[in-house]
Amino acid sequence: LAKTTQPISMDSYEGQEVNITCSHNNIATNDYITWYQQFPSQGPRFIIQGYKTKVTNEVASLFIPADRKSSTLSLPRVSLSDTAVYYCLVGVRNRDDKIIFGKGTRLHILP
Amino acid sequence: GAVVSQHPSWVICKSGTSVKIECRSLDFQATTMFWYRQFPKQSLMLMATSNEGSKATYEQGVEKDKFLINHASLTLSTLTVTSAHPEDSSFYICSASDLTQGNTIYFGEGSWLTVV
Repeated sequence: LAKTTQPISMDSYEGQEVNITCSHNNIATNDYITWYQQFPSQGPRFIIQGYKTKVTNEVASLFIPADRKSSTLSLPRVSLSDTAVYYCLVGVRNRDDKIIFGKGTRLHILP
Repeated sequence: GAVVSQHPSWVICKSGTSVKIECRSLDFQATTMFWYRQFPKQSLMLMATSNEGSKATYEQGVEKDKFLINHASLTLSTLTVTSAHPEDSSFYICSASDLTQGNTIYFGEGSWLTVV
């Protein structure tokens, strides 16, 4: 399982774009990168998943460079409700591999 | 989309008693489910892998006789905390993968356990 490293915490302001970078230097060829969001007292919620280059959905964008040793979650125009912990996970699709969570990034959005 | 549901969402029990938490995949079948516990302001810690029709696989340091896991059907896994103590108070979360939808993992809402 590829280990991931993220900043422990980040602060930003409403309306700003927030970029959270995750390092995964030993990512394997078959590994996908998935980001989850967790609010207090709730289970994590899927945000976005990608393998390479760029993926965009209605919530966020995920940028993955060619070497795939890192990835950046981009949240456009954040609001107070985006205050949460964000986890970057690396694993294989179509297989029930156990997922080990890193510490995540605690994002705090200020008014 | 796929949904994983936990019940109860919160429970209070007395020391020495046992409490059961259920995890259900509502619209897909899950041969494997995972149980995590999470203390305040900490990350999720994997406790065990629940395998349908066979014994659960526990992570190092997790007592299998204390945290009993049963995965009797493709849509239900249960975690029973036996002889609960105050230090077992925590947020317990389950997850399951819908392998028909890639490997997106879905998490339950979590269950707060308070042992008094």
